[in-house]
Amino acid sequence: ETGVTQTPRHLVMGMTNKKSLKCEQHLGHNAMYWYKQSAKKPLELMFVYSLEERVENNSVPSRFSPECPNSSHLFLHLHTLQPEDSALYLCASSQGEGSYNEQFFGPGTRLTVL
Amino acid sequence: KQEVTQIPAALSVPEGENLVLNCSFTDSAIYNLQWFRQDPGKGLTSLLLIQSSQREQTSGRLNASLDKSSGRSTLYIAASQPGDSATYLCAVVRGGSNYKLTFGKGTLLTVNP
Repeated sequence: ETGVTQTPRHLVMGMTNKKSLKCEQHLGHNAMYWYKQSAKKPLELMFVYSLEERVENNSVPSRFSPECPNSSHLFLHLHTLQPEDSALYLCASSQGEGSYNEQFFGPGTRLTVL
Repeated sequence: KQEVTQIPAALSVPEGENLVLNCSFTDSAIYNLQWFRQDPGKGLTSLLLIQSSQREQTSGRLNASLDKSSGRSTLYIAASQPGDSATYLCAVVRGGSNYKLTFGKGTLLTVNP
């Protein structure tokens, strides 16, 4: 238990659906991240929020839309996804700026796009 | 562009053996390096974090070293146990960027009873 929770843990959706992934951290951190982990590829950073402002958008398609309403919650809104978007989506948080920037990860959401 | 390589991609050892996992990175201007463990279908658990000014970190049976100038890190696991079976990931944070972790593909470790 890392203090970062993600829901749902598993999601199956069609290409025309709209769904959202939720992440919550109970660590008092002020930076949150979305990562994508596809089979046989390194983890890819998608988005970074620091103090609820997006500080990095790593060339992610617009069908992925992040939202950070406060420092404890992060959402990833999904619409008109493609089968190649099937992956494990991981959320992480950290204290943000500073010399010790250890990131703590949630358990992930396994997404399957049909 | 930073690239992180982990060798070997998979490793199978008998219980009790000491082992070394390797990580190399192309840009030595890093802020820190982290080793993670990932169990199948699960998230990542941070094992050790080494700041760029440090040479090694230890936690229990784990010891991680960092040679920044040569772009290398090793994770040493002593007296391996079946419960150590997992994928081990290495990640670096680029100097000047406090956020972006660049990951390797990982080493899948199997410890056989």
